[in-house]
Amino acid sequence: AQSVTQLDSHVSVSEGTPVLLRCNYSSSYSPSLFWYVQHPNKGLQLLLKYTSAATLVKGINGFEAEFKKSETSFHLTKPSAHMSDAAEYFCVVSPFSGNTPLVFGKGTRLSVIA
Amino acid sequence: NAGVTQTPKFQVLKTGQSMTLQCAQDMNHEYMSWYRQDPGMGLRLIHYSVGAGITDQGEVPNGYNVSRSTTEDFPLRLLSAAPSQTSVYFCASAKGAYRDPGNTIYFGEGSWLTVV
Repeated sequence: AQSVTQLDSHVSVSEGTPVLLRCNYSSSYSPSLFWYVQHPNKGLQLLLKYTSAATLVKGINGFEAEFKKSETSFHLTKPSAHMSDAAEYFCVVSPFSGNTPLVFGKGTRLSVIA
Repeated sequence: NAGVTQTPKFQVLKTGQSMTLQCAQDMNHEYMSWYRQDPGMGLRLIHYSVGAGITDQGEVPNGYNVSRSTTEDFPLRLLSAAPSQTSVYFCASAKGAYRDPGNTIYFGEGSWLTVV
């Protein structure tokens, strides 16, 4: 079965410094992978998605993620953190076959310090 | 979150009561699903549907019931509410398979449920 593991439950960075949120996936086939963001008491917003077209995926608000098959990773990065980036981030996988919906990681809470 | 409407947004229930969380979409999406979100657990799949008359269980289906009598609606029923069902519930819909490259997955804004 497909799954994702978010390696950090909480990441804290200073404003203006790089952001790295780590995600490893488990899948027998090439998966579709997503990153979603959730601001406090809000719904889910899609940041970016990988569907095998290109390994480096650019998303909204300056975020990007690189699919590395050899490392089974899909880490999310941003060159310079902004206060408004403070939120919960979810790495998500869509199974290769069947109709099973998205499988979410447990989330990483990003704090941005002024 | 345009297109997927969840009601109610907030609800407080007493243990043992029953209620229905509504989810409706007007995009003619075949695929719909319900998740619950708990701190440190991410979103976990409760039930899902790939079309009218077709439903299946997800990871945490106990205590919940669903039906899909129309394409537009996918209600989630709590049969006898328990404090362990205190959570935030999200409904999602998509035109086709979730992994399709051109597919967009829509989420509702969430329903905050407290069971006392």
